[in-house]
Amino acid sequence: GAVVSQHPSRVICKSGTSVKIECRSLDFQATTMFWYRQFPKQSLMLMATSNEGSKATYEQGVEKDKFLINHASLTLSTLTVTSAHPEDSSFYICSARGQGKNGYTFGSGTRLTVV
Amino acid sequence: RKEVEQDPGPFNVPEGATVAFNCTYSNSASQSFFWYRQDCRKEPKLLMSVYSSGNEDGRFTAQLNRASQYISLLIRDSKLSDSATYLCVVNQAGTALIFGKGTTLSVSS
Repeated sequence: GAVVSQHPSRVICKSGTSVKIECRSLDFQATTMFWYRQFPKQSLMLMATSNEGSKATYEQGVEKDKFLINHASLTLSTLTVTSAHPEDSSFYICSARGQGKNGYTFGSGTRLTVV
Repeated sequence: RKEVEQDPGPFNVPEGATVAFNCTYSNSASQSFFWYRQDCRKEPKLLMSVYSSGNEDGRFTAQLNRASQYISLLIRDSKLSDSATYLCVVNQAGTALIFGKGTTLSVSS
């Protein structure tokens, strides 16, 4: 079945630093990648949608200059949290959709803690 | 108003119990409906799709009422391993999945 590998699974960083999260589709071409974050006891909230080779579309309230999304290839998408602050601490998870596929494949998530 | 609303629970039930979760969605253009399961600190996993005719998968039965924009999940003969958060999810074709906040189920022996 379709697999998306997400790394790192857990990261602790200092306030003000940047963190890059990678999602790789291992056995299919991910034409669309959705990035979500989930705060404790909250739902998964869509942050942005990226199509390979195009700029990401961000949801209202999500700062595109703070959450940089790159989807330069059909197998790799990255989310960089720039100048992270404690309020960015959350569970970040990607979901990939391949061309012609109806299913959504999730990465295993990244738990970010900013101290 | 949130796009997908669920009773957060928690639902605390004994093994063998039958439990039902409900969900409403606000976007009448929604086309696809799902129940996902999420274990603590893990990614959500598809439990089942939901169809207008209703569908069953073993101990799990899902129902959809498009007119009232209401989705339900029934779990019969609850097992300890059913303890998790159940997420109601909707979307339109090709777009992102929209998640409810989830309903927490705790099954005890």
